[in-house]
Amino acid sequence: GQNIDQPTEMTATEGAIVQINCTYQTSGFNGLFWYQQHAGEAPTFLSYNVLDGLEEKGRFSSFLSRSKGYSYLLLKELQMKDSASYLCAVTGGYQKVTFGTGTKLQVIP
Amino acid sequence: DTAVSQTPKYLVTQMGNDKSIKCEQNLGHDTMYWYKQDSKKFLKIMFSYNNKELIINETVPNRFSPKSPDKAHLNLHINSLELGDSAVYFCASSQRWIGTSDPRGETQYFGPGTRLLVL
Repeated sequence: GQNIDQPTEMTATEGAIVQINCTYQTSGFNGLFWYQQHAGEAPTFLSYNVLDGLEEKGRFSSFLSRSKGYSYLLLKELQMKDSASYLCAVTGGYQKVTFGTGTKLQVIP
Repeated sequence: DTAVSQTPKYLVTQMGNDKSIKCEQNLGHDTMYWYKQDSKKFLKIMFSYNNKELIINETVPNRFSPKSPDKAHLNLHINSLELGDSAVYFCASSQRWIGTSDPRGETQYFGPGTRLLVL
């Protein structure tokens, strides 16, 4: 089956760095995606990883280890507007696309 | 020039009614999806169409029936609405179906959501 785990909630301070972890067990793997979802809004794409390693995109970076079934999203120089839910999603396998339950990040002053 | 649009944005209806939600994408994408996001914010795929062909049909009640008249549209019709159907329904599209050569094509673009409340 498909299983994706993320912490439910995290709190971090403005200006700091936060790492949101995602572990997955899926029947197949094409890629791992991170989406951001602000309260009451639709998810929006942040990044994707296909190969092992770190992908950097401005203040956001995403890391993947396929052998460990593990990814993380790193947010640097946190801003208040980064308060949102962060969804990890894996494509591939029988169900083709599976989303994690999301991590709600609260950024405090 | 909204990329993925859904109507209506809000839908309040009585139990037992039949309702439809419409979705359109102007991105020229091949694949469209319907997701249900419940009160715990878990996003679960319901259906996926690739070039108007049904690809994914998850375990959802027969009361839910998708229809794709063309590649740019994917509508969702719900019969005999129940209290448990209350949720936010998101439509999404991606350039290509899962497993094609370029994973970037799997990136999904979501519509604004339809907030369904069944009373």
